[in-house]
Amino acid sequence: SQQGEEDPQALSIQEGENATMNCSYKTSINNLQWYRQNSGRGLVHLILIRSNEREKHSGRLRVTLDTSKKSSSLLITASRAADTASYFCATDGRGSNYKLTFGKGTLLTVNP
Amino acid sequence: GAGVSQTPSNKVTEKGKYVELRCDPISGHTALYWYRQSLGQGPEFLIYFQGTGAADDSGLPNDRFFAVRPEGSVSTLKIQRTERGDSAVYLCASSRQGSYNEQFFGPGTRLTVL
Repeated sequence: SQQGEEDPQALSIQEGENATMNCSYKTSINNLQWYRQNSGRGLVHLILIRSNEREKHSGRLRVTLDTSKKSSSLLITASRAADTASYFCATDGRGSNYKLTFGKGTLLTVNP
Repeated sequence: GAGVSQTPSNKVTEKGKYVELRCDPISGHTALYWYRQSLGQGPEFLIYFQGTGAADDSGLPNDRFFAVRPEGSVSTLKIQRTERGDSAVYLCASSRQGSYNEQFFGPGTRLTVL
């Protein structure tokens, strides 16, 4: 079953703009991660945020986590055409921290 | 270093046939995972190996699906009597012992059952 739900399902922006994607989940988590997937194939890990963290940065990525609302957001600043991909959030829960539960993803298109 | 590799990259088969999908994890990674991703969906967990044993196979959809990892490295996902609904991308991932949330994914095998 899908735990995370990303929104929007699809997002189209111009190069240079910022992109924000959101993820909601249902049960308690240990960690939340964001992955990128190009062309429906291999997943690339972007960033991990632990349940006791509220914000994390990595390059042009900023992730926030609100455990009270069971939600996270991924912000990509100064987007590039190469950022075009699907983005998924994934959670791992207490007692089964090896089992990642993914949402359906947000398809981001960055137009040159 | 080399990442996770999966073969074949694409597999087309007929309904009722048997297929095997192979995963070569990153060298030294003791944990290995299989996920299945249907069109328009996120990956869904199938099975987790720690070493040679399947520590959790709760995600396997039914008894037509089976996976092995006899020497604690390469793993094979086996699907018997394939059905059209088995069509999906099958993703393999591996991680270091104790680093379960840092999973490195392979490029996947796209299985099409006609």
